[in-house]
Amino acid sequence: DADVTQTPRNRITKTGKRIMLECSQTKGHDRMYWYRQDPGLGLQLIYYSFDVKDINKGEISDGYSVSRQAQAKFSLSLESAIPNQTALYFCATSASGKSTDTQYFGPGTRLTVL
Amino acid sequence: GENVEQHPSTLSVQEGDSAVIKCTYSDSASNYFPWYKQELGKRPQLIIDIRSNVGEKKDQRIAVTLNKTAKHFSLHITETQPEDSAVYFCAASKGSSNTGKLIFGQGTTLQVKP
Repeated sequence: DADVTQTPRNRITKTGKRIMLECSQTKGHDRMYWYRQDPGLGLQLIYYSFDVKDINKGEISDGYSVSRQAQAKFSLSLESAIPNQTALYFCATSASGKSTDTQYFGPGTRLTVL
Repeated sequence: GENVEQHPSTLSVQEGDSAVIKCTYSDSASNYFPWYKQELGKRPQLIIDIRSNVGEKKDQRIAVTLNKTAKHFSLHITETQPEDSAVYFCAASKGSSNTGKLIFGQGTTLQVKP
């Protein structure tokens, strides 16, 4: 879905470095999510945000932080990257409301920590 | 917390045969159950979803069934085609009127042999 974009698409970094992954959306959705995907483990929720002032931890938030700079932008940071954070990271968006549960995913960022 | 179990982890069928993927969830408050398809190197995309007030939903060759009593839902693909080959994820949520968080199963890799 071209309405949800992520940068960078690929990143190789070293242990201990600070990394920021960015997500932008033009869907006008108020809710945004960050997931991590590892082989055989599905998608695990890292953080989610219902609006600019509402940030919530997901299942695996340790070692990560987020910033919701605007309704359309949600960034994920690794303050000090470690090798087991090597994974595929997806941003997703959804709209609040009873009949609008669908989440739309960005193209993903493949992160390798050496 | 909420947990979603998905089986099988891999499934190989002959073109034209049917494929069934099963998921169970733990939180009886879950009321929204989407299925996502992820092709190699691509983002997860919604293919069908079902809400707790219905037991079955169909969309051409794809159908989903829900048994709320057993906390079990399944994806059925009939007349499989090679382009159906992908990883399929089930998920469960309490809906956007709640947190809207999706809890994903571990994924099923479907291979359709020509």
